[in-house]
Amino acid sequence: DTAVSQTPKYLVTQMGNDKSIKCEQNLGHDTMYWYKQDSKKFLKIMFSYNNKELIINETVPNRFSPKSPDKAHLNLHINSLELGDSAVYFCASSLAVSDSPLHFGNGTRLTVT
Amino acid sequence: GNSVTQMEGPVTLSEEAFLTINCTYTATGYPSLFWYVQYPGEGLQLLLKATKADDKGSNKGFEATYRKETTSFHLEKGSVQVSDSAVYFCALSPANQGGKLIFGQGTELSVKP
Repeated sequence: DTAVSQTPKYLVTQMGNDKSIKCEQNLGHDTMYWYKQDSKKFLKIMFSYNNKELIINETVPNRFSPKSPDKAHLNLHINSLELGDSAVYFCASSLAVSDSPLHFGNGTRLTVT
Repeated sequence: GNSVTQMEGPVTLSEEAFLTINCTYTATGYPSLFWYVQYPGEGLQLLLKATKADDKGSNKGFEATYRKETTSFHLEKGSVQVSDSAVYFCALSPANQGGKLIFGQGTELSVKP
């Protein structure tokens, strides 16, 4: 019955590799997001999609490429990984209104060595 | 621009103590305001929200009132429990930006028996 699920939970990889994180929601929401949480717990939005269409791109390096095959899925692909990409990445979903709460996945801890 | 500032943690309290976590914001227009909680190893969960001035959000004994005059949304609980130990995030959702959340830096709460 998981509402927002993301895989993998942990991802350890070397600099320069390419990796993907997958996210799926079964809440029927129109909008999905990727957030990055740094080592100090600070959360920053990266991307937002509404019905498969990109609506927010917060000056994220173009090594990060989100893909939304349908409105229930939003995957994150990262090329040429760097040490500074190490963080916890959270997927979330919501209805497309400003007072609608976000539902978060449990996060993917990415460690780049 | 839009931003959220929270009191720095960690906050350490004894069980049954009174809790206040301060949150102030700057925003254009009339944002919605939220408190989210993150338990260790998990994603964020909505704790409470308020969508307009003077609204009070409440849940699980926690309360926060949307104060437009002081641009604040302080979180309070009359008697904390060990199980309340978590990181608490204040957030705002700007009007007409499709659910995007801007988070404060988080405040870690540790409750001792």
